[in-house]
Amino acid sequence: NAGVTQTPKFQVLKTGQSMTLQCAQDMNHNSMYWYRQDPGMGLRLIYYSASEGTTDKGEVPNGYNVSRLNKREFSLRLESAAPSQTSVYFCASTRVPWTEAFFGQGTRLTVV
Amino acid sequence: SQELEQSPQSLIVQEGKNLTINCTSSKTLYGLYWYKQKYGEGLIFLMMLQKGGEEKSHEKITAKLDEKKQQSSLHITASQPSHAGIYLCGADMGGSARQLTFGSGTQLTVLP
Repeated sequence: NAGVTQTPKFQVLKTGQSMTLQCAQDMNHNSMYWYRQDPGMGLRLIYYSASEGTTDKGEVPNGYNVSRLNKREFSLRLESAAPSQTSVYFCASTRVPWTEAFFGQGTRLTVV
Repeated sequence: SQELEQSPQSLIVQEGKNLTINCTSSKTLYGLYWYKQKYGEGLIFLMMLQKGGEEKSHEKITAKLDEKKQQSSLHITASQPSHAGIYLCGADMGGSARQLTFGSGTQLTVLP
C-alpha cells in the first residue's frame, strides 16, 4: 500500500535555487495539502487543493507555488529558495476536507 | 498554531506509567484529530473525535473531547517504549477554508 509518496526525501539547496517537491497519492482522494513543520511550531499549511483543478493559499504561502497536475499529483515549487524555507515538508491527502488525513514521509529541505 | 495549544511540550515517563496530553482551543472545534509522529517519519492517524463528550480508545490509548468541544485529552495507560514519539492534535476550526490547524506537538519519551 503506497498511500502518499513524496520525493525527494532529502534536499540541500543554495539560496536562490529553485526546486519542485513532488507528491502523489493512490487512494483516489479529492483533497491534497502541503504543510511545513518547524521546531516548536507544529505543522503550518502552505497550500491546499480541495479538489482537482482548484488550489488555495494556506497560512504561510509566500515564496511557494503549487500545481494540482491531476487527481493523483500535487507539487510544491520554490522559485527562489531562502534559508527561512529550511524545514520539513509534508504532503497529505483526504477523501474530502476534512476527514482522516494520510501523510507522506516528508521531505527534509535545507537551504544554505 | 496559537489557536490550538498543546501541553506539555515534552514528557518523560518511566515505562508502565500513565500519562495525559492536552489540546485546548478558545473556539469550538468541528473535529479533533490525534496523530503520532516518529522522528524522521510522517504522521500516523490515531483517532478522530467530532461529538461533544465523545471518547474513543485503541489499545492503550484513549482520547476524549469535552462537552464544549474546546478541549481534548489523550491518555496512555501503562506506557511502553513503542509509545515514544511526537503527538500532535489537529482541529477543524470551521470557516470557509476548512483547513486543519495543528498544535505544536508533545514529545514523549518512555524510559525502559
